[in-house]
Amino acid sequence: DQQVKQNSPSLSVQEGRISILNCDYTNSMFDYFLWYKKYPAEGPTFLISISSIKDKNEDGRFTVFLNKSAKHLSLHIVPSQPGDSAVYFCAARSSGGSNYKLTFGKGTLLTVNP
Amino acid sequence: GAGVSQSPSNKVTEKGKDVELRCDPISGHTALYWYRQSLGQGLEFLIYFQGNSAPDKSGLPSDRFSAERTGGSVSTLTIQRTQQEDSAVYLCASSLLQGQGYTFGSGTRLTVV
Repeated sequence: DQQVKQNSPSLSVQEGRISILNCDYTNSMFDYFLWYKKYPAEGPTFLISISSIKDKNEDGRFTVFLNKSAKHLSLHIVPSQPGDSAVYFCAARSSGGSNYKLTFGKGTLLTVNP
Repeated sequence: GAGVSQSPSNKVTEKGKDVELRCDPISGHTALYWYRQSLGQGLEFLIYFQGNSAPDKSGLPSDRFSAERTGGSVSTLTIQRTQQEDSAVYLCASSLLQGQGYTFGSGTRLTVV
């Protein structure tokens, strides 16, 4: 049972345009959400996060939106750059004793074309 | 060190053999995690170490998998009698605080033939 779902395996965007990566979750106990970026042959690197008490968090070109009622979050990248081409993982963490565990989606491969 | 170091970066082994994967966390990070990513899948939690506390081994897929962390620093993940389904990228991460600020290593790509 997949608790974090990234339904788009891949996304292709033109340089300078907006990239929107989507993520859905099923576990109501999740209260903190993260996006990681992964280049080939490297480990995932943290990009941006959002707490469930917020609906938006912005950091430079990256903005994460959270819709708790829909159990949906999205990552917006504006403007997209070729260096943004990577696999993006959505991850979630629940409150309570096991708050160290992250549950990851399968990832979305973003390709930004020059 | 400056980052999380994992070795080897690639390992090809024959089915039935044992393998050891090593992780050197960032100095001072008390929390250490192992995850694995099978082909086409997300990262799957395997095990968590925090200081001197008993590790959370709930993610280990079978009793062929074990891990230890010596002296609160280096960790070794051991897979005995490897099977083809064990083929995956094994990722180690460490953090200063529990559940926050994970830094991942580059992983070990394990291929069982």
